[in-house]
Amino acid sequence: GNSVTQMEGPVTLSEEAFLTINCTYTATGYPSLFWYVQYPGEGLQLLLKATKADDKGSNKGFEATYRKETTSFHLEKGSVQVSDSAVYFCALDNQGGKLIFGQGTELSVKP
Amino acid sequence: NAGVTQTPKFQVLKTGQSMTLQCAQDMNHEYMSWYRQDPGMGLRLIHYSVGAGITDQGEVPNGYNVSRSTTEDFPLRLLSAAPSQTSVYFCASRPGRRGTYEQYFGPGTRLTVT
Repeated sequence: GNSVTQMEGPVTLSEEAFLTINCTYTATGYPSLFWYVQYPGEGLQLLLKATKADDKGSNKGFEATYRKETTSFHLEKGSVQVSDSAVYFCALDNQGGKLIFGQGTELSVKP
Repeated sequence: NAGVTQTPKFQVLKTGQSMTLQCAQDMNHEYMSWYRQDPGMGLRLIHYSVGAGITDQGEVPNGYNVSRSTTEDFPLRLLSAAPSQTSVYFCASRPGRRGTYEQYFGPGTRLTVT
């Protein structure tokens, strides 16, 4: 079946550090891939998405590239800010709206 | 637009009690769904609906009922609450089932069953 695996958290970084959160997936066919972010006490918001191989999604300085050969969709940001502290979820959609989520990675950025 | 709204924000139930979690959206979205979020497990799909009068089960449907009488509302019912249903519940909507639409999430309901 479909599944998503993310790196374990929590991840603690200093402000302006480089961020990578690994995400790999298992799916039949060609799913769409997403990163959602959850700020404390809030619901999930879409951060970025990619719908086919080699697509790069980007938003707010975050990027992720859909790599079919490695079945990966790693999230990166060149310089994190304290305001980026949140839980990040990788997800795939392979069946018309049914999102499959990874377990989430908590990011804490210290000033 | 208010987007996706959920009530209540917090709820404590005793084992065996019943309740309904409310979800409404004002974006005229066809597709609505319920997820539960548990530590270390991400979000898991409970039930979903592709339009008024049409519902189907997700990954973890046991212990939950849904109905969809209008496009706007998609309530989730717990008929006999169990401690295993302690979780944070999120409702989501999107324009349709096909395509790569973004899902819009509500703020969540934190449920504790004692």
